[in-house]
Amino acid sequence: EAEVAQSPRYKITEKSQAVAFWCDPISGHATLYWYRQILGQGPELLVQFQDESVVDDSQLPKDRFSAERLKGVDSTLKIQPAELGDSAMYLCASSGRLGQGRFEQFFGPGTRLTVL
Amino acid sequence: TQLLEQSPQFLSIQEGENLTVYCNSSSVFSSLQWYRQEPGEGPVLLVTVVTGGEVKKLKRLTFQFGDARKDSSLHITAAQPGDTGLYLCAEKSGTYKYIFGTGTRLKVLA
Repeated sequence: EAEVAQSPRYKITEKSQAVAFWCDPISGHATLYWYRQILGQGPELLVQFQDESVVDDSQLPKDRFSAERLKGVDSTLKIQPAELGDSAMYLCASSGRLGQGRFEQFFGPGTRLTVL
Repeated sequence: TQLLEQSPQFLSIQEGENLTVYCNSSSVFSSLQWYRQEPGEGPVLLVTVVTGGEVKKLKRLTFQFGDARKDSSLHITAAQPGDTGLYLCAEKSGTYKYIFGTGTRLKVLA
């Protein structure tokens, strides 16, 4: 069964260090999402890609966060420098091309980040 | 900005009991999704409801969309330990973006 892959599953870092997370969406899915989920809360959308283009990054803290999907397939989310408040689960999701078919997001297992 | 509230925030019940969790908005939903998230995993879509008054069933789970499309409920019959998890509702915001609620954390005790 096709799945969204994420790595690493867990990351512990010290504040002011740089961290990067990787996501490989389900093959053929044009749309990719990065979410942040703080413990006890629902996921919050950080950035949405359609192919290699950013569709929505209105909630991405651009002073320290960056995301890219250069070839329209896998994606990297980077935080530099990490702050204590960045500790959270970072979830990647993918879906089919916007406007085609029923909308359904498939989530990966997430990367749990702890900033010390 | 629409505010999506879920209640209760936490729920701990015995195996075999029934339960209902709720999702409410300050505005009308265009459509609503329910997800279940197990510890250490990503959310998994359970159902999408679109029409006011719609009722969908998924085995022991019954989803209802309010007539005015401002609220939704999830009812679980005869809960089992495998139902334990975080139940999230998400409303459509814009064309292909969903905003998630804060979730209801359910624990079913054997």
